Amino acid sequence: QVFLVESGGGVVQPGRSLTLSCAASGFRFSNYGMHWVRQAPGKGLEWVAVIAFDGSNRYYLDSVKGRFTISRDNSNDTLFLQMNSLTTEDTAVYYCAKRLTTSGTDVFDVWGHGTMVTVSS
Amino acid sequence: DIQLTQSPSTLSASVGARVTITCRASQNINTELAWYQQKPGKAPKLLIFDSSILESGVPSRFTGSGSGTEFTLTITSLQADDFATYYCQQYTRYSYTFGQGTKLEIK
Repeated sequence: QVFLVESGGGVVQPGRSLTLSCAASGFRFSNYGMHWVRQAPGKGLEWVAVIAFDGSNRYYLDSVKGRFTISRDNSNDTLFLQMNSLTTEDTAVYYCAKRLTTSGTDVFDVWGHGTMVTVSS
Repeated sequence: DIQLTQSPSTLSASVGARVTITCRASQNINTELAWYQQKPGKAPKLLIFDSSILESGVPSRFTGSGSGTEFTLTITSLQADDFATYYCQQYTRYSYTFGQGTKLEIK
């Protein structure tokens, strides 16, 4: 079975940093692009970042560019999201998600359970 | 950026009914549209991709259609398990946006 398990969420003050992790299992992690998607309390889904299967390309939501960095460790089947200069607007559940196919259709077929990030003073 | 507008925002229906949710894109996205179902406290679940292709394991009462800027998700013969929030999502190259969601409630 395919699993994604996020960790690293918590309460952090505005301006501080936090790094999320997503441990993958049950599939060849190094073959798939991976995403982070977030959901603020009571709100809809918002895509945050994507990284290519080999880490060669990364793209971000405009509002997190320059503050967030997506990375991966294919040796340990783990995805990361480093978040700097956090603001209250970043408060959300953060999900990691697997791309459906190795190329082509870029939708999210497997999601983790999410990890909550609360930015508050 | 491509915007997606779903309608209605809330939909009340009875078990056994047929419902349709619409998703309109602010520009042509061909058929690069997916639908997800989300239940409270849970991660979203992929239902349909490429506008009309049913994800493995998803019941055939879910159908998607459309191309360009207008898309629909239809659920026939609603089951109790279908009451949830539904999101459309576009995925043109390295640009991903979701609609605001449609909450399907039991009448």
